[in-house]
Amino acid sequence: DIQMTQSPSSLSASVGDRVTITCRASQSITKYLNWYQQKPGRAPKLLIYAASSLESGVPSRFTGSGSGTDFTLTINNLQPEDFATYYCQHSATLPATFGQGTKVEIK
Amino acid sequence: QVHLVQSGAEVKKPGASVNISCKASGYTFISYFMHWVRQAPGQRLEWLGYINAGNGNTRYSQKFQGRVSITRDTSASTAFMEVSSLTSEDTAVYYCARARGVATLDSWGQGTLVSVSS
Repeated sequence: DIQMTQSPSSLSASVGDRVTITCRASQSITKYLNWYQQKPGRAPKLLIYAASSLESGVPSRFTGSGSGTDFTLTINNLQPEDFATYYCQHSATLPATFGQGTKVEIK
Repeated sequence: QVHLVQSGAEVKKPGASVNISCKASGYTFISYFMHWVRQAPGQRLEWLGYINAGNGNTRYSQKFQGRVSITRDTSASTAFMEVSSLTSEDTAVYYCARARGVATLDSWGQGTLVSVSS
């Protein structure tokens, strides 16, 4: 199985900050990388698919980049509603494994 | 608007089975695969398996092979997942999710909490 590792596991940031989360795959997944946002008690929500494509309805302050094994999720101008946990997930093969999550907290 | 509605919370004893339903609306049910993912307390999301809602073909995580069964009722636009031989380690929130491509999960159910305790 392909292992997904995110860093950091948590971070503190202020409204208006730029936040960067990284995700590394244990082998090349080309661009088969998705990012999800999850708020407490809620289901995950798809933000970014195919490494850099913005899901419909998701604000443009969310951007994704990368290919191969290294990927990045950037949130520009962090908003109060962005405080949540973010997960990467590969969809190159099955099982489609997830990273351990990055919790973005209010500083 | 895509909508996935799951059945309610369950409390089970070790060794029992649980069956969770996921009713879809807002799209053509048989045109998509339905995946199941779980999240144990404080743990990462874990993929369990999927069903091709069109032809009924299934695929499961090797970890859960033989213990998880996914079915569907196309007339009711509903997918089902049964997990058998439950242990306390199966205590988790279970989600159904519609997939694009291999496993890009673009719409999720609200989750079903399954608690396993003696």
